[in-house]
Amino acid sequence: AQKITQTQPGMFVQEKEAVTLDCTYDTSDPSYGLFWYKQPSSGEMIFLIYQGSYDQQNATEGRYSLNFQKARKSANLVISASQLGDSAMYFCAMREANQAGTALIFGKGTTLSVSS
Amino acid sequence: DAGVIQSPRHEVTEMGQEVTLRCKPISGHDYLFWYRQTMMRGLELLIYFNNNVPIDDSGMPEDRFSAKMPNASFSTLKIQPSEPRDSAVYFCASTRSTSTDTQYFGPGTRLTVL
Repeated sequence: AQKITQTQPGMFVQEKEAVTLDCTYDTSDPSYGLFWYKQPSSGEMIFLIYQGSYDQQNATEGRYSLNFQKARKSANLVISASQLGDSAMYFCAMREANQAGTALIFGKGTTLSVSS
Repeated sequence: DAGVIQSPRHEVTEMGQEVTLRCKPISGHDYLFWYRQTMMRGLELLIYFNNNVPIDDSGMPEDRFSAKMPNASFSTLKIQPSEPRDSAVYFCASTRSTSTDTQYFGPGTRLTVL
C-alpha cells in the first residue's frame, strides 16, 4: 500500500486564484512529520512547509498553508494567490517516527500549471 | 550559508563505465541522504548516513552501487559498472538531529547512461 497518495496528476489554476493540492498518508506511527516540496522545471527540490503530527495548529508559510486533518490522514497544501512562478511539480512527503534519522517517503507528485 | 552542493550537475556516460557522484552537505548537518528520482519509481531513498556512518542502505539497488562518507563534509555515490537503467536524477540531502528540521536537497545530478 502506498504510504503517500497524491491523486491529482495535474492541476490548472489562474493567477491570483487559490489552489489546493491533495495528499493523504498512511501510517500507524503516532509521531510523524509531513512535508511539501516544490520542484520547478530546473529540477531542484525546494522545501515549502512542515507539519508535525502533534502540532495543534495548521502550518503556514507565507502564501502556503497546510490543511492538516489528522483523523482523515490528509495534509493538503493550499497556495493562496497563485503566481506564474508557482508552476512546478509539488511533492508531499512523510517522515515516520519524526526523527531526523528517518528517510522521507514521497508521493508521486502533482504538476501545477498557473496561467495568466 | 551554502546549501547542499552536488557535482557534477550532469553526467553522460556509456554503459559499463564507472560513475562517481559527489555531495557536500550543509555544514553542521549530521545526516546525509542519497535519493534517486525516476519517472517510473518517483523519489526513493538509496542510503543514508549519520555522523559519517551508513545507517540504512536497503534502498541501494544492487552491488553495483556503493556509497561512502569519509568525513562530515563529503560523500560519494559510485556506480560500477553503470547500466542504462541507472539513468535518473540523483539527489543528496542533509539535515540535523532535530525532529522538526527538514531535509535540504542539493540541485541533483542528472545521470544518463547510454
